[in-house]
Amino acid sequence: AQSVTQPDIHITVSEGASLELRCNYSYGATPYLFWYVQSPGQGLQLLLKYFSGDTLVQGIKGFEAEFKRSQSSFNLRKPSVHWSDAAEYFCAVGENRDDKIIFGKGTRLHILP
Amino acid sequence: GAVVSQHPSWVICKSGTSVKIECRSLDFQATTMFWYRQFPKQSLMLMATSNEGSKATYEQGVEKDKFLINHASLTLSTLTVTSAHPEDSSFYICSAPSHGTAQETQYFGPGTRLLVL
Repeated sequence: AQSVTQPDIHITVSEGASLELRCNYSYGATPYLFWYVQSPGQGLQLLLKYFSGDTLVQGIKGFEAEFKRSQSSFNLRKPSVHWSDAAEYFCAVGENRDDKIIFGKGTRLHILP
Repeated sequence: GAVVSQHPSWVICKSGTSVKIECRSLDFQATTMFWYRQFPKQSLMLMATSNEGSKATYEQGVEKDKFLINHASLTLSTLTVTSAHPEDSSFYICSAPSHGTAQETQYFGPGTRLLVL
């Protein structure tokens, strides 16, 4: 069965600092991986996804993620965070493009001014 | 781009009543839709897979008689919470895969916040 682990429940960084959110997955074959962001009381917004090809994926809002099969990881990065990036971030995995998505527990990002 | 809508966006009901939540794909057809539930400060948990023209598939631990799902057409799935109780208060989100699009493969609705008094 698929599973996703986000080891950090909360992360606090200063505005302008770099960010890395960790995500590990468990799945036998090549997974379909996603990062979503959710602002308080809001729905989900897709930041980026990985299906195949280049393991470094560029997303919206300056985010990128790197798929590392050897480490079963798909960490999300941003070189310089903005106060508006404060939100909940979910890593997720699916068996294929159109199948159900299993979410990690999420990482709440706090930004210090 | 493709859009998924949900109605209502929020609902307050009395304990023991039933509530219906609609999920619509606005400009694409979806033979499958997914229903998730999110409790405050928690992650999204998959409840069930809604299949057009056939029965829904429920995840382990989800009561199918309490959460009735009907996928009446290729653009509409409904979730009915029957005899709702305060513990059913949650944020319900649906999603629909859009086959063949390059931009995004799963579109999520904006969610429906349910409060049962």
